[in-house]
Amino acid sequence: GQNIDQPTEMTATEGAIVQINCTYQTSGFNGLFWYQQHAGEAPTFLSYNVLDGLEEKGRFSSFLSRSKGYSYLLLKELQMKDSASYLCAVIDSNYQLIWGAGTKLIIKP
Amino acid sequence: DTGVSQDPRHKITKRGQNVTFRCDPISEHNRLYWYRQTLGQGPEFLTYFQNEAQLEKSRLLSDRFSAERPKGSFSTLEIQRTEQGDSAMYLCASSLEGLETDTQYFGPGTRLTVL
Repeated sequence: GQNIDQPTEMTATEGAIVQINCTYQTSGFNGLFWYQQHAGEAPTFLSYNVLDGLEEKGRFSSFLSRSKGYSYLLLKELQMKDSASYLCAVIDSNYQLIWGAGTKLIIKP
Repeated sequence: DTGVSQDPRHKITKRGQNVTFRCDPISEHNRLYWYRQTLGQGPEFLTYFQNEAQLEKSRLLSDRFSAERPKGSFSTLEIQRTEQGDSAMYLCASSLEGLETDTQYFGPGTRLTVL
């Protein structure tokens, strides 16, 4: 079966750095997405990785290791507005997007 | 470009009634997806269109669910004889078929409550 694992919930302090991990077992791999979703709202696109390595985009960075089936999302200089769920999703060999359940990130002042 | 829009944003209905939701994708996007999401879960794939063709439908999708995209632009999702278990957020996303990435952009969702 296909599976994407993320921690259910994480807590971090405003101004700090947090790393949200994602491991996946899918039938094939054609890329990995990270989305941010605030409560009651739709997911918004954050990043896309298809090659190994780190992609940096402002305060957010995403890392991929295809051999390990592993990715992480790194958030720096945390702000209260970063409190949200972060969803990891993988494109499988059928080009279907397989979603994780999301990690709820709580930012404390 | 106004992004993906969905209508209505909220729908409350009684069990057994039929409901229809509409999605207007980003204008140049040829792919359109419907998902269902419940609290604490990631989006659950329902169906997918490329232009007007419905290319894939989840095996988990009941026959009570049907979707159309008649002219390859907007799409409708109909749920017949709604059940309380159908209560969820229904998300629509669109994307542009590409060589390297097929990033899906989501609409605001329609929250369905079945009483």
